[in-house]
Amino acid sequence: AQSVTQPDIHITVSEGASLELRCNYSYGATPYLFWYVQSPGQGLQLLLKYFSGDTLVQGIKGFEAEFKRSQSSFNLRKPSVHWSDAAEYFCAVGAGSGYSTLTFGKGTMLLVSP
Amino acid sequence: SQTIHQWPATLVQPVGSPLSLECTVEGTSNPNLYWYRQAAGRGLQLLFYSVGIGQISSEVPQNLSASRPQDRQFILSSKKLLLSDSGFYLCAWSLGAGDNQPQHFGDGTRLSIL
Repeated sequence: AQSVTQPDIHITVSEGASLELRCNYSYGATPYLFWYVQSPGQGLQLLLKYFSGDTLVQGIKGFEAEFKRSQSSFNLRKPSVHWSDAAEYFCAVGAGSGYSTLTFGKGTMLLVSP
Repeated sequence: SQTIHQWPATLVQPVGSPLSLECTVEGTSNPNLYWYRQAAGRGLQLLFYSVGIGQISSEVPQNLSASRPQDRQFILSSKKLLLSDSGFYLCAWSLGAGDNQPQHFGDGTRLSIL
């Protein structure tokens, strides 16, 4: 069965500094990978997705992620963090059910310090 | 464009009372629909998904049930709530067919059981 691991529960980054959130997946075939962001009390918003092709994908709000098959990773990056980026971030993998069901990681809470 | 609506936004219910949470999608036809529960530190747990009217798949045995009486309406119900049913409930939709379709989430319902 597929699984997603986000090893960092919390990360604190200074405003203006770069950010990398880690995501490792376990899946037997070519994965479909997603990153979502959730602000407190809100639903999840899709940041970006990877299906195939270029392993570096660009998303909204200045985020990007790189798919590395050899490392089973799909890390999320941003060159310069803004205070408004403080939120919880979820990595997800397509579950292979044929019905677009997703398996989510447990999330990484991003705190931005001034 | 497509939109998804969930209500109510918050709900406080006594143990043993019934539950009905509603989710509707606009701007698309025959979407896949999903109900998730989110508990702190546990990520998102898929409860039910539906690929068509009257078609419900349950991912975990529990005190809850789901129904899809219309193409773009998805309802989460319980006859008798338990304390353990407290949590943040999220509805989502995706275009049908295949695992490469991202899910789009509503703003959630915060359910507190007293």
